[in-house]
Amino acid sequence: AAGVIQSPRHLIKEKRETATLKCYPIPRHDTVYWYQQGPGQDPQFLISFYEKMQSDKGSIPDRFSAQQFSDYHSELNMSSLELGDSALYFCASSHTGGQLPLNTEAFFGQGTRLTVV
Amino acid sequence: DAKTTQPNSMESNEEEPVHLPCNHSTISGTDYIHWYRQLPSQGPEYVIHGLTSNVNNRMASLAIAEDRKSSTLILHRATLRDAAVYYCILRIFSGSARQLTFGSGTQLTVLP
Repeated sequence: AAGVIQSPRHLIKEKRETATLKCYPIPRHDTVYWYQQGPGQDPQFLISFYEKMQSDKGSIPDRFSAQQFSDYHSELNMSSLELGDSALYFCASSHTGGQLPLNTEAFFGQGTRLTVV
Repeated sequence: DAKTTQPNSMESNEEEPVHLPCNHSTISGTDYIHWYRQLPSQGPEYVIHGLTSNVNNRMASLAIAEDRKSSTLILHRATLRDAAVYYCILRIFSGSARQLTFGSGTQLTVLP
């Protein structure tokens, strides 16, 4: 079965550069979530989209932005990168189909490991 | 999402059952209890979820206390591949509720 695909898997950037992470949700999934996981930390929710519209917002820095496109793929854009942005970034998707999202499961990708040097 | 409390770590022997507890004393009537796990260097993986009744699937069972203030994830026969961090998450009806908030989970070590 198709899973959530993230690209690239690894990315190395220098401080103050920009980075773009891509996420391709499972087909027919209507909700996309982004998470950041620093070394030894638990995943932190950044932002979510439902049907291409921004839905919930977590602890996403102002330097980061995200959007979901007409084909449902999503991109997380990070500017003015800092050393502290080095982390694993996960994307997840779920199909709610109009149900309460409380009763649905989320499927996570393998993540993008961003290293800022 | 509302707060949950889990032990930091637990150990189990291979092929024995494992009971992973979670306290969620502030749960309300519409909150769902979800469990995810994260193997090293991988994305979190859905395990199971429930509302009031106990739930079973191919991976695990979820036992929910009658007052719903606690729950237990049961792995019937632990294998080495079950070594992971297990997260108990309450999904609450707040705003659009399209977020999953991970707290500090339980690091499960499975001993051969």
